[in-house]
Amino acid sequence: DVKVTQSSRYLVKRTGEKVFLECVQDMDHENMFWYRQDPGLGLRLIYFSYDVKMKEKGDIPEGYSVSREKKERFSLILESASTNQTSMYLCASSPGRVAGTDTQYFGPGTRLTVL
Amino acid sequence: AQSVTQLGSHVSVSEGALVLLRCNYSSSVPPYLFWYVQYPNQGLQLLLKYTTGATLVKGINGFEAEFKKSETSFHLTKPSAHMSDAAEYFCAVSRGWAGGTSYGKLTFGQGTILTVHP
Repeated sequence: DVKVTQSSRYLVKRTGEKVFLECVQDMDHENMFWYRQDPGLGLRLIYFSYDVKMKEKGDIPEGYSVSREKKERFSLILESASTNQTSMYLCASSPGRVAGTDTQYFGPGTRLTVL
Repeated sequence: AQSVTQLGSHVSVSEGALVLLRCNYSSSVPPYLFWYVQYPNQGLQLLLKYTTGATLVKGINGFEAEFKKSETSFHLTKPSAHMSDAAEYFCAVSRGWAGGTSYGKLTFGQGTILTVHP
């Protein structure tokens, strides 16, 4: 079974702090994704990566950056956390063999609260 | 650009009743369509997907969905609801097609929370 793990289930940070969210997948997937989930808005793509050190902006990249130094690990960085970044953050991975039809496999999510 | 609309943010059914969750999409290319489910305090998992071929797709836990190109719809159904079906359901459309450079990116709908009462 594919397993996607996220470093924390719950996180509380203060405004202005630098925040790191870590995601690890164990199935040698090419693609990795970071989403934020807010009630009534569904999932919105923040960033994704299709290879080590390769990344592209998603729909809402402002205030975020990412890092992928190893194939299995994809980190989301909030450079200076703000209260409007309080949300559920979901990481996902997909094989990348056939673009468009791949299933994405999700981690359990990190609920981040910024005070 | 692709988009997805899920009609009804909340759906409530009785145990044993038909479940119908509605999804309409917009896509400039032949779409690949997905339904994901999120149980409380968990990530999303795939219920079913349509890529090509048969338009009636069967998924896990007795769910199925029918791709109707003329109606741009991909509604999710289950003949008889169980208490364990209570969850949030997301419809999604792939942003590209095989051979393109979408990298499997998805556009998700807003989600529908399904409540099942005894």
